[in-house]
Amino acid sequence: DAKTTQPPSMDCAEGRAANLPCNHSTISGNEYVYWYRQIHSQGPQYIIHGLKNNETNEMASLIITEDRKSSTLILPHATLRDTAVYYCIAMGAGSYQLTFGKGTKLSVIP
Amino acid sequence: NAGVTQTPKFQVLKTGQSMTLQCAQDMNHEYMSWYRQDPGMGLRLIHYSVGAGITDQGEVPNGYNVSRSTTEDFPLRLLSAAPSQTSVYFCASSRQGNYGYTFGSGTRLTVV
Repeated sequence: DAKTTQPPSMDCAEGRAANLPCNHSTISGNEYVYWYRQIHSQGPQYIIHGLKNNETNEMASLIITEDRKSSTLILPHATLRDTAVYYCIAMGAGSYQLTFGKGTKLSVIP
Repeated sequence: NAGVTQTPKFQVLKTGQSMTLQCAQDMNHEYMSWYRQDPGMGLRLIHYSVGAGITDQGEVPNGYNVSRSTTEDFPLRLLSAAPSQTSVYFCASSRQGNYGYTFGSGTRLTVV
């Protein structure tokens, strides 16, 4: 599975949109981009995933560039409960292993 | 709907003891996995299963055994606990195909 690169930390004001970038320049055609988050000492939580089209669900939006080399997770109205470590993971169809890097620690500031 | 249930939540073992970490899911998911998370590190895959009766090793399998006799349960056995196995253990499950994994709340294990 392709390696992903994320900034180690970001701040976001409460109520504003949080835009979390992820670089996956070596991603192959059958690899999906998954986003998970881990709130302190809890189990990771699945957020969203996509292949090449932009995706939206009740938690977030995922924007994938046309060349698929990078993506952005958007939390439209960040709250204090969104403070967490966010992981971007590239995983191929049929793969069973989620490879977690260090992720981005998002701090939502009141 | 309980999701993924892990027991116990906390455990202290002495070096050399054995124990089983329990994981159960009620979503009829085919895929189940065990991960460990050490301080300041990402999660690492220990073992996984793609269905009842089928298991395979992940990135860090040494010192652990698994079995999958039913779709619902995927226990992780520590054969002879070592201090290096002090960690937080997460179980996860997913439907077959390209779907997200649901994680349990974790078992915090300390080996002294």
